[in-house]
Amino acid sequence: DAGVTQSPTHLIKTRGQQVTLRCSPKSGHDTVSWYQQALGQGPQFIFQYYEEEERQRGNFPDRFSGHQFPNYSSELNVNALLLGDSALYLCASSFGTSDTQYFGPGTRLTVL
Amino acid sequence: DQQVKQNSPSLSVQEGRISILNCDYTNSMFDYFLWYKKYPAEGPTFLISISSIKDKNEDGRFTVFLNKSAKHLSLHIVPSQPGDSAVYFCAASEGSGTGANNLFFGTGTRLTVIP
Repeated sequence: DAGVTQSPTHLIKTRGQQVTLRCSPKSGHDTVSWYQQALGQGPQFIFQYYEEEERQRGNFPDRFSGHQFPNYSSELNVNALLLGDSALYLCASSFGTSDTQYFGPGTRLTVL
Repeated sequence: DQQVKQNSPSLSVQEGRISILNCDYTNSMFDYFLWYKKYPAEGPTFLISISSIKDKNEDGRFTVFLNKSAKHLSLHIVPSQPGDSAVYFCAASEGSGTGANNLFFGTGTRLTVIP
């Protein structure tokens, strides 16, 4: 049973560029949430997708956008990258009304 | 504004003894709580959870206690093993049972179990 997978593992971009991160949820899960984890901090909620729509959003600017596909996989897009966007980006999946989220290994984004 | 707080950045425990990790929260609307373990270069791994209608949940060596009046929860690991050495995150959410929940995390406690 495949868990949550994310790609790429690492990514280096420069300021002003755009980036797309990808996530495949755990088998049978239909909800995908994205989190940003800065060094030394706990993960912070970016947004959650369910039925291909953004269901909830955290306190992140519009530069952060996402998408969920019919197969429940998801993308996180960040435009106009800033140095402060350097972080570990985590994807988590869950099913239906379950409150437990299962995390992928993350994508380490470095903005130079 | 940090709604979930883990005030101990680190904890060292001898192998075989009990590890107690603590977590405090400020939002009285939180009704579901989780503990995750994180190794370097990996994502958080779900350990155990508890709903606000309970005050204790046990799973093998792991027990979570919830004190709603004090807005405090703790994770007990007995007996502690060297493989338990990791960073432990406490998380909380509201809207239990809806699936539409965003998790609020603490800043983590690094547990080191000394052989």
